[in-house]
Amino acid sequence: RKEVEQDPGPFNVPEGATVAFNCTYSNSASQSFFWYRQDCRKEPKLLMSVYSSGNEDGRFTAQLNRASQYISLLIRDSKLSDSATYLCVVNEYSTLTFGKGTMLLVSP
Amino acid sequence: DADVTQTPRNRITKTGKRIMLECSQTKGHDRMYWYRQDPGLGLRLIYYSFDVKDINKGEISDGYSVSRQAQAKFSLSLESAIPNQTALYFCATSDTSVSYNEQFFGPGTRLTVL
Repeated sequence: RKEVEQDPGPFNVPEGATVAFNCTYSNSASQSFFWYRQDCRKEPKLLMSVYSSGNEDGRFTAQLNRASQYISLLIRDSKLSDSATYLCVVNEYSTLTFGKGTMLLVSP
Repeated sequence: DADVTQTPRNRITKTGKRIMLECSQTKGHDRMYWYRQDPGLGLRLIYYSFDVKDINKGEISDGYSVSRQAQAKFSLSLESAIPNQTALYFCATSDTSVSYNEQFFGPGTRLTVL
């Protein structure tokens, strides 16, 4: 079975902190990678795609290491509204495999 | 209006009943998917369809069937519901022309089987 592994957390951080999540995947043939955000009892929403060269979107930075089969997400200057579960997602032959998610709790 | 809609949003049913969950999308995407989410297990793929004439089983298709009535509509059926099918069900869509296969999700259907 294809696996995507994440630390479930929760990560408890104060507002303004920098926090990093990691994810490993088992299938070296994986083609593309994403981070999704899911709020409690809501649908997953695409946060960002992860490109081979790494990419940044505002306070969020994603990195991919294909050799180590490792993906990361860095959140700078955490906001209360960043509290959610972050899902690491891997695309293999047009189907997505989801990690179980890492919970982030940002406190005042 | 939401791009991906699901009906019903909540449903309580009894063991042995037939139930259908419906998904519609206005995104013009050709690919559609059904997932279920259980606490501690993450999202798992039930069925997927790359176009109207294409249906594929996912990781956990036993006990489920699907129908792709049109490009915009994809229904999931439980022929005889059982309690372990209690879960949160999501429909998703994606566009073949987008190489990264980003998927976009509906709001979910919370199903309880008693």
